[in-house]
Amino acid sequence: DAGITQSPRYKITETGRQVTLMCHQTWSHSYMFWYRQDLGHGLRLIYYSAAADITDKGEVPDGYVVSRSKTENFPLTLESATRSQTSVYFCASSENTRDTQYFGPGTRLTVL
Amino acid sequence: LAKTTQPISMDSYEGQEVNITCSHNNIATNDYITWYQQFPSQGPRFIIQGYKTKVTNEVASLFIPADRKSSTLSLPRVSLSDTAVYYCLVGDLNSGGYQKVTFGTGTKLQVIP
Repeated sequence: DAGITQSPRYKITETGRQVTLMCHQTWSHSYMFWYRQDLGHGLRLIYYSAAADITDKGEVPDGYVVSRSKTENFPLTLESATRSQTSVYFCASSENTRDTQYFGPGTRLTVL
Repeated sequence: LAKTTQPISMDSYEGQEVNITCSHNNIATNDYITWYQQFPSQGPRFIIQGYKTKVTNEVASLFIPADRKSSTLSLPRVSLSDTAVYYCLVGDLNSGGYQKVTFGTGTKLQVIP
């Protein structure tokens, strides 16, 4: 199916563990983004990517790592999860710098 | 950094027109204004985008005064299904990086029967 998907949809992990959230889009959009959403903070940009092998930090990048070896995939890794990283994570993509962003369904991550 | 300020929440009755205003005093020359809608447990969805004056599509209208320091999203004749959080974004990826574009906390619109 065309679109943008995220996996897993729900994840529970423990402090100190490594977790990878997956994002896949079928439109071949150049830009991809990772946001986290917490009560009282709205959506905050973690990392974004302008193309394969090009990534840059957003507003809250600490504790996260991204890669983009293929245009359609943009995984987000929490190298050593902390409780403060409990959040809902959204992936998005867009065709160009000013175009609409299309968001995935989100991943609800709980770090115990 | 073009920070945006919106009301935290608004209530409206079904069938009424709703206007949500966003302040962006530090908007830069190249910045565009974009509005998104988010329902619970879903990702945000694009509503409308504009640079100046007025933009209208099948869902909403966007009014931007000449000084561009604010913008107003207008939803005509809202229904219960318009209950959502509405985000105003200001920025331009071309002018220095997407890290300068932030969603903020949005306006929670509650439509009442």
